[in-house]
Amino acid sequence: GQQVMQIPQYQHVQEGEDFTTYCNSSTTLSNIQWYKQRPGGHPVFLIQLVKSGEVKKQKRLTFQFGEAKKNSSLHITATQTTDVGTYFCAGTYNQGGKLIFGQGTELSVKP
Amino acid sequence: DAEITQSPRHKITETGRQVTLACHQTWNHNNMFWYRQDLGHGLRLIHYSYGVQDTNKGEVSDGYSVSRSNTEDLPLTLESAASSQTSVYFCASSESGEVTDTQYFGPGTRLTVL
Repeated sequence: GQQVMQIPQYQHVQEGEDFTTYCNSSTTLSNIQWYKQRPGGHPVFLIQLVKSGEVKKQKRLTFQFGEAKKNSSLHITATQTTDVGTYFCAGTYNQGGKLIFGQGTELSVKP
Repeated sequence: DAEITQSPRHKITETGRQVTLACHQTWNHNNMFWYRQDLGHGLRLIHYSYGVQDTNKGEVSDGYSVSRSNTEDLPLTLESAASSQTSVYFCASSESGEVTDTQYFGPGTRLTVL
C-alpha cells in the first residue's frame, strides 16, 4: 500500500543546533502537509506544499518538496526549547484524497 | 469560536465491552476522520466520512464502526473492546474541496482496555 516513511524517529539536539526531518514516498505525491504535536497535545497544521520543488519558510522553519514530489523535508534553524514536539509529514496521492501520515520525528531540545 | 471536541478525554474499559467515543465539530466541515496514535506508528486512519450518511474504512478499521447522521458528529464505536485497541484516538475534520484541506484535530481520547 501507499506509505510515507519519515526519518529519524527521534532527534535530540542542544538548543541552538539545527534540526532536519525527512519524508519519503515510493510513488509521486499530490501534495504534502506538515503537522506539529506538542507533548500531550494534538497535531496542529503547519504548512502544505503542492508544487514540485516548492520551498516555504515560516521564521526558522524551512519546508521543501522534492522535484519529483516523492520527498519532503522540514529544517529548523537554531532550535529553541519551544520547538520540542513530534513533527509529522502527511501526504496524499490524489487531489482531495486521504492523508497518509509518516511515523513522526520526536524532537527534544536540551537547554 | 469554531472547535472540535472529543469525549471522554480518558476512558478505562474491560475487554469485550462496547465503547463509543464522541467527536463533535462546529466548523461545519463535511469531512471527518478518526485516527489512532501508537508509539512507532504515527497516526493511522480508522474510518472517515465525506458527508452525512457517508462512511468509509481506513487502514485499521477492523473492530471499529462509525455512523454519520449529521454534519457535526462522527461517533466511533468499538463493538467488543480488545487490549490491542488501547491507544490515543484523535478525531479530525476538514472542509471538502479539490485540494486536500488542512485537518483540524480534536484534543484526543486516551483509551485503556484492560
